[in-house]
Amino acid sequence: DGGITQSPKYLFRKEGQNVTLSCEQNLNHDAMYWYRQDPGQGLRLIYYSQIVNDFQKGDIAEGYSVSREKKESFPLTVTSAQKNPTAFYLCASSPKANTEAFFGQGTRLTVV
Amino acid sequence: RKEVEQDPGPFNVPEGATVAFNCTYSNSASQSFFWYRQDCRKEPKLLMSVYSSGNEDGRFTAQLNRASQYISLLIRDSKLSDSATYLCVVKGTSGTYKYIFGTGTRLKVLA
Repeated sequence: DGGITQSPKYLFRKEGQNVTLSCEQNLNHDAMYWYRQDPGQGLRLIYYSQIVNDFQKGDIAEGYSVSREKKESFPLTVTSAQKNPTAFYLCASSPKANTEAFFGQGTRLTVV
Repeated sequence: RKEVEQDPGPFNVPEGATVAFNCTYSNSASQSFFWYRQDCRKEPKLLMSVYSSGNEDGRFTAQLNRASQYISLLIRDSKLSDSATYLCVVKGTSGTYKYIFGTGTRLKVLA
């Protein structure tokens, strides 16, 4: 099936540990995105990538890192520098500018 | 001022009712507009793109008013299954890949 796959669906980590969230797409989309959603809030952009080996910071990039070594993959690392990492993380992709984005099912991260 | 603003609701309407949501955006150079639907604890899913001439998809109608910088979504003959949060999404100037999301309007359709 074509689509965007995020894994795992639920993730628990201890405070101070880095954790990497996976996002893979087989839609041949150029652009990929990471958003964070907190309860009662809208989606906030963490990082995005328009092409392989290139990515830009979004509005809340501090404490996060990404890589885009392959077109299909855009993993997000939540580092210990992120002050409040517990949230719902959503990965998305789009084929090109001015077209709609498609989302993965999300990863719910809880840091204890 | 937020880049994209929506009334958070909730809008509680009976089955069969018609309901409308508005969304305002601040960047007059914005090029693309969308409505997404998000169910509780799920990912957003594209409901419809919004075109300058307005567009309709079954019970759903979207309109764009560039002069006043708002988009609207009209839902006719509401169903229980329409209960969800509706997100207004704006894409910036031509060629940009950045989407800007509103905080969403919550709809509850009551039996």
